Amino acid sequence: SQTIHQWPATLVQPVGSPLSLECTVEGTSNPNLYWYRQAAGRGLQLLFYSVGIGQISSEVPQNLSASRPQDRQFILSSKKLLLSDSGFYLCAWSENYEQYFGPGTRLTVT
Amino acid sequence: TQLLEQSPQFLSIQEGENLTVYCNSSSVFSSLQWYRQEPGEGPVLLVTVVTGGEVKKLKRLTFQFGDARKDSSLHITAAQPGDTGLYLCAGERGAQKLVFGQGTRLTINP
Repeated sequence: SQTIHQWPATLVQPVGSPLSLECTVEGTSNPNLYWYRQAAGRGLQLLFYSVGIGQISSEVPQNLSASRPQDRQFILSSKKLLLSDSGFYLCAWSENYEQYFGPGTRLTVT
Repeated sequence: TQLLEQSPQFLSIQEGENLTVYCNSSSVFSSLQWYRQEPGEGPVLLVTVVTGGEVKKLKRLTFQFGDARKDSSLHITAAQPGDTGLYLCAGERGAQKLVFGQGTRLTINP
C-alpha cells in the first residue's frame, strides 16, 4: 500500500532563515505530487505541483520554491523566511483525480 | 477563477441530530471530493463523486453531486461525537489539480 511521509512535523524558525521541508511517497511510481499551505482551520491553497522529476509548476507567486530530485521525493524550500510563511504545510500525491495527504508540517516563523 | 463556497462555515449540534453541509460553485467540475480533517493532521478522503446526480452513502454519511456538477452536499444522520472535524470539499479543475472550499468546522456535542 502507498504511504506518504513528511518531516519535520513541527518547525520554529526565525525570520530570514532558510527552510527545507521534505515529502516522500512509498508504494507508487511516478506520482503527481503537490504542496499546499493551510491557514488555521481553513481550506487549502495549492502552492506547487509536479508531474515528474524536475518538473515543477508554481500556482502562486511567493517566497517559496519546490524541487523534485527523485521520483518520490518533493522538497519545499525558502532562502529567507518571512513571518507570513507561517502555516500548516501539506504534501499530497494523486492517483487519477483523488489526492492523498501526508501528516503535515506546522511551521512557525518568529 | 473556479471557487467553491461551503456553508455553513461553523456548525455545532447535539449528538443524535441530523445535519447537511453544502458546497456550491458557479463552475462545472469533472469530479468532486469530500475530505475530513482532524486538528494537526492531513485531510482524509471520504468519497469522490463523478456523475451528475450521483448519490453515495458511507454508513451514516450521504453525499450527493448536483445534476449540473456544480454543487454537492454532505448529509450526516444521527451525528456522533466522532464525526467532529473540518469537512472540506474539493473540485477537480483539470490536470489532476483540486480547488478546495474553505471548510465547515463541525462540532458534535455529547
